[in-house]
Amino acid sequence: KNEVEQSPQNLTAQEGEFITINCSYSVGISALHWLQQHPGGGIVSLFMLSSGKKKHGRLIATINIQEKHSSLHITASHPRDSAVYICALLYSGAGSYQLTFGKGTKLSVIP
Amino acid sequence: EAQVTQNPRYLITVTGKKLTVTCSQNMNHEYMSWYRQDPGLGLRQIYYSMNVEVTDKGDVPEGYKVSRKEKRNFPLILESPSPNQTSLYFCASSFGTSGSFYEQYFGPGTRLTVT
Repeated sequence: KNEVEQSPQNLTAQEGEFITINCSYSVGISALHWLQQHPGGGIVSLFMLSSGKKKHGRLIATINIQEKHSSLHITASHPRDSAVYICALLYSGAGSYQLTFGKGTKLSVIP
Repeated sequence: EAQVTQNPRYLITVTGKKLTVTCSQNMNHEYMSWYRQDPGLGLRQIYYSMNVEVTDKGDVPEGYKVSRKEKRNFPLILESPSPNQTSLYFCASSFGTSGSFYEQYFGPGTRLTVT
């Protein structure tokens, strides 16, 4: 069973700060999702990564398959970025397609 | 509008009374999945489906059933609900089969309370 560790669990930042959320895992995976869960409960997929780096607006996600580690960066953070960020590991192969989730990082951005 | 819908959004029921939570997507996605979210435990996968008539267990399938008779629908059935199934449930869908990886689209969630 793959262990997924997200850090930090909670993060408070001032508006404009650069933010990094980390996700480490113990067993090889097919790909990794970063998800955002809004305070109202809705979940949005931010990125799906199997290698390298992806960028969307102020968000950047990286993954290092050899080191079993991924990071989510938010540049110029804003109060509307306040949410829970969840990494999810995807195992795919031989007809299976299973996801294992981290426990999430709660981000609060203060004006 | 591309979306995943779930019904009902809120449900309070009693132990042992069979219930179904519906999930429907309008994006012609092959893959659909059910998750539950509990405080301190995070999200956990219940069942998933790679396509019509193809379903498989996730991490916590006990006490749940699913079926995939049509591509757009993936209902979650609790034959005899128990209080430990009180949770927030999410349905999700995506393109792709084994070997292809795409983002998942999540439904709005169903908050179930079993008394």
